[in-house]
Amino acid sequence: GQSLEQPSEVTAVEGAIVQINCTYQTSGFYGLSWYQQHDGGAPTFLSYNGLDGLEETGRFSSFLSRSDSYGYLLLQELQMKDSASYFCAPRGRGQGGKLIFGQGTELSVKP
Amino acid sequence: NAGVTQTPKFQVLKTGQSMTLQCAQDMNHNSMYWYRQDPGMGLRLIYYSASEGTTDKGEVPNGYNVSRLNKREFSLRLESAAPSQTSVYFCASSEDAGGIPYGYTFGSGTRLTVV
Repeated sequence: GQSLEQPSEVTAVEGAIVQINCTYQTSGFYGLSWYQQHDGGAPTFLSYNGLDGLEETGRFSSFLSRSDSYGYLLLQELQMKDSASYFCAPRGRGQGGKLIFGQGTELSVKP
Repeated sequence: NAGVTQTPKFQVLKTGQSMTLQCAQDMNHNSMYWYRQDPGMGLRLIYYSASEGTTDKGEVPNGYNVSRLNKREFSLRLESAAPSQTSVYFCASSEDAGGIPYGYTFGSGTRLTVV
């Protein structure tokens, strides 16, 4: 089975740092992916964590702690264009390769 | 540009009508997926195909059928559309099952309204 929790909404100001948390329960956990979706657009892949620790890609970083079944997406130097929904998606072994997405976190960046 | 192409982009159907949503990818990906997204909601998996020749049900398969026509194409069929199937439909593909480590590539979506 699988369960997934993310905050539904987060608000931050331009230039700030924001952290979007994700807790999961996934049988045979394999890794955690993050996706971004702008309003009216298609989801786009941001990052994948297969091992514990921090993965950095420019202004975005993603963290995973397997022992805590927890991950987060860290967005630094926020820009207005970062206003979007962010989805975490854990992958479990034996799921046949499919990803189950959470409800997503809607990030609003204010000037 | 390489990617995932979905057709049509918009469609209005009457209740009971049937239609097929088309999806094609030119990235030589093995796995393909169909998701639906309702307003303010996350993505729910309808069907997926881990590799050419295989298809499996996802979270919400009722009312839908799929065909993995070849490695490039994965179609979704609504046999008898219902208003509850009003949604945005996304097709996605990935090199390997689960999108590890490069993620899924999504199409731009089909906005379907059933009246």
